[in-house]
Amino acid sequence: EAEVAQSPRYKITEKSQAVAFWCDPISGHATLYWYRQILGQGPELLVQFQDESVVDDSQLPKDRFSAERLKGVDSTLKIQPAELGDSAMYLCASSRRREPKETQYFGPGTRLLVL
Amino acid sequence: AQSVTQLGSHVSVSEGALVLLRCNYSSSVPPYLFWYVQYPNQGLQLLLKYTSAATLVKGINGFEAEFKKSETSFHLTKPSAHMSDAAEYFCAVSNFGNEKLTFGTGTRLTIIP
Repeated sequence: EAEVAQSPRYKITEKSQAVAFWCDPISGHATLYWYRQILGQGPELLVQFQDESVVDDSQLPKDRFSAERLKGVDSTLKIQPAELGDSAMYLCASSRRREPKETQYFGPGTRLLVL
Repeated sequence: AQSVTQLGSHVSVSEGALVLLRCNYSSSVPPYLFWYVQYPNQGLQLLLKYTSAATLVKGINGFEAEFKKSETSFHLTKPSAHMSDAAEYFCAVSNFGNEKLTFGTGTRLTIIP
C-alpha cells in the first residue's frame, strides 16, 4: 500500500537555527498539504500545493517559513530562523485531486523540538 | 466559514463497552465530514467520511458515524471497545468549494481493561 513518506521523523534544533523537512507524497497525487499540529490540538493547514503551484499559504508565517514543490512531486518545508514556539509535529498529506470529498493521506510526521 | 467542535477532550470506556465520540460542525454550505485516528507519534489515518450519500457511514475497525443535519452532528460510535482503539480521534470538515480540512481539537480515547 502506497504511503506518504516524511523525513526526518524527529528533529531537535536550537532557536535561530534553520531546519528543513521533506515529504514525498503518494505517487500520482496532485495535491500536497503541510500541516502543523501543536501538542493537544488538531492539525492546522500551513500551505497547500496543486502540482507545483501554491494554492493556499494564508496561514504560513512567511517571514520565517518557506515551502516549495519544484517538480510537482516531493516537497520541502523550511523554517529559518526557528523559534521556541515552532516546536510541534509537522504533517504532510496528499490527495489525488483538489476536491473537498477527496481523502487526504497523511505521512508519519516530523516532530520538531526547538531549544 | 467552517468549524468543528469535539465535546470531551478525554473519554474513557471499559473494554467491550460502547464507544461514543461527539462531533458537531458549523458550515454555511453542505459539509463533507471526516473522522481520523492518530496513534502516538504517528500520522493520521482515515476511519470514515461522509460525502452526502448515505447518512450512516461505516468505516474501518468496526467504527461508524451518522450524519444528522438537524443536529449538525457527526458522532462516531463503535459497539464494543477494544484495547487497540486507544488513540486520539479527530473530526474534520470541508465543504463544497473548499477542500481545506478544518480539524477539531481531538478526543483522546482510553480503554479500561
